[in-house]
Amino acid sequence: ILNVEQSPQSLHVQEGDSTNFTCSFPSSNFYALHWYRWETAKSPEALFVMTLNGDEKKKGRISATLNTKEGYSYLYIKGSQPEDSATYLCASFGFQGGKLIFGQGTELSVKP
Amino acid sequence: NAGVTQTPKFQVLKTGQSMTLQCAQDMNHNSMYWYRQDPGMGLRLIYYSASEGTTDKGEVPNGYNVSRLNKREFSLRLESAAPSQTSVYFCASSEGPPSRADTFGSGTRLTVV
Repeated sequence: ILNVEQSPQSLHVQEGDSTNFTCSFPSSNFYALHWYRWETAKSPEALFVMTLNGDEKKKGRISATLNTKEGYSYLYIKGSQPEDSATYLCASFGFQGGKLIFGQGTELSVKP
Repeated sequence: NAGVTQTPKFQVLKTGQSMTLQCAQDMNHNSMYWYRQDPGMGLRLIYYSASEGTTDKGEVPNGYNVSRLNKREFSLRLESAAPSQTSVYFCASSEGPPSRADTFGSGTRLTVV
């Protein structure tokens, strides 16, 4: 994988559903993986930064895992609420590129 | 409030006009970045400055120039605006290394007609 890819592109769930998204990134020369939450008309806000294989981070109902050997990260939201509606961006930093490369994002819509 | 401040928030330019987007941060961060956001494309890096006095090209630098005026300020200049530069522009800063998250400004919505 040469680029950062996120799936799905968009997701529509009902309030209370749990959901997860995937971020795939180049596993060679990996340094860090960032997750951001981006609400419409606002600026992206950092959720997690992970660097170690097997890292798990949690913030309220949102958690993330990291597998640097196979080059993927999962973001989980437990019991989605309408206020979770946003675009979730991941970004990878590799030593070779020397800068953060963002995926296209997963747009989550949670209906009451 | 501490953070990243971008000006202006909105701008409409005619093709061929020039303008400078201003960005300032008061968190004493070393690294600063300019991104553009287009539908379906996520955030793409235009230029970045790893430290005061240095600037480097990102993924989409053509048509732009930058200046790291001092540690606080990082400006983005469009010398001759084109409709393809219609986008939302975000400035960001970070402590560096990349194990620290970026802090983003509120964005500049630029339309080139």
